[in-house]
Amino acid sequence: EVQLLESGGGLVQPGGSLRLSCAASGFTFSSYAMSWVRQAPGKGLEWVSGISGSGSTYYADSVKGRFTISRDNSKNTLYLQMNSLRAEDTAVYYCAKTLGGSGWYGSSFAFDIWGQGTMVTVSS
Amino acid sequence: QSALTQPASVSGSPGQSITISCTGTSSDVGGYNYVSWYQQHPGKAPKLMIYEVSNRPSGVSNRFSGSKSGNTASLTISGLQAEDEADYYCSSHTSSSTVVFGGGTKLTVL
Repeated sequence: EVQLLESGGGLVQPGGSLRLSCAASGFTFSSYAMSWVRQAPGKGLEWVSGISGSGSTYYADSVKGRFTISRDNSKNTLYLQMNSLRAEDTAVYYCAKTLGGSGWYGSSFAFDIWGQGTMVTVSS
Repeated sequence: QSALTQPASVSGSPGQSITISCTGTSSDVGGYNYVSWYQQHPGKAPKLMIYEVSNRPSGVSNRFSGSKSGNTASLTISGLQAEDEADYYCSSHTSSSTVVFGGGTKLTVL
């Protein structure tokens, strides 16, 4: 079964850091670009960041310079390092597998498999 | 990157058809055939319903269809069913190599 399982969410103070992980199973992880998408409480979806199978990275303007996406293909795991966190970063963070291949531009920019999400709360 | 524009809500009766619009610019929706649509039920993760404007993933009902004209994409649901009641989001690739979502549309089945 194709599955994504996020972990690492929690409560953090403004200005703090947190690292999210997403463990993938049931598919050849290195063959697909991956993304993080977040959803603030009661709000819509917001794309956060994407990474190709070989490690090229892409970021939304709202997190550029503060968040770093990475992957370890040997461990079938996607990461999101979040620094300088702000209240507006409070959200459920989903990892998502792209429909297409390993390249970002061959991915169809469509997300066919999603994790269950992990909640990040930034508050003092 | 501004969010794509969707109506906040739409409604329809069982058996009817509804259409949800998604308006962007020539730098996203209008410039690429990389529009996707997602269905999200409360407390659940989104589900991919349409990709590349009009393609359905395996397992998605053919009652769901997508199209695009200029800077506006559309999702049509025919033969509306109670289980279709959910939030729907469009997304598009952008000229900045990013992805942008719409604000979401709440579909109510009357």
